[in-house]
Amino acid sequence: DVVMTQSPLSLPVTLGQPASISCRSSQSLVGSDGNTYLNWFQQRPGQSPRRLIYKVSNRDSGVPDRFSGSGSGTDFTLKISRVEAEDVGIYYCMQGSHWPPWTFGQGTKVEIK
Amino acid sequence: EVQLVESGGGLVQPGGSLRLSCAASGFTFSHYWMHWVRQAPGKGLVWVSHINSDGSDTTYADSVKGRFTISRDNAKNMLYLQMNSLRAEDTAVYYCTDPFADVDFWGQGTLVTVSS
Repeated sequence: DVVMTQSPLSLPVTLGQPASISCRSSQSLVGSDGNTYLNWFQQRPGQSPRRLIYKVSNRDSGVPDRFSGSGSGTDFTLKISRVEAEDVGIYYCMQGSHWPPWTFGQGTKVEIK
Repeated sequence: EVQLVESGGGLVQPGGSLRLSCAASGFTFSHYWMHWVRQAPGKGLVWVSHINSDGSDTTYADSVKGRFTISRDNAKNMLYLQMNSLRAEDTAVYYCTDPFADVDFWGQGTLVTVSS
């Protein structure tokens, strides 16, 4: 199974400041078709998850452009250029390149300082 | 509007059974793989099971293999999860979704509580 490891697990940030979350996989996420199936999800308190980024760096419709994804192979990053109050929540990476099982990271809790 | 509505959760005793349903609308359900993902109280997201678009292929997490069965009815735009031999550790909110679809869709989840 591919193990997804996020860091940090807790991220206090100041409003308007940038934030960065790392996600590392136990093996390369380049799939047999050459695509890298690494997604990022946001879960606000009391809500269902919402996908922000698919295939490493593609923003979903309606996702603010302050969110960006990057990386390759085994190392991936979600960046928030300027944190807003509505960004509070837990962020998860998830891989779909080597399945089953599909696997999530442990989650990173973003809170405002 | 893309919508997924889960139902069927509730309180069940250890060893009991439940059948979860997920009603899909606003997209061509039969074109998509579908997954169940669960979240225990205060914990992270965990993948449970997947089914391909025509229902001919299914996979399961080791923790539920042999106890849970995923199925779908494309004529009714419905996804199901039959859960047998339930354990306390199956207590969670269960979501239906396709995390790698071309559009993002998640239901509101349905809570399953396994307790005596």
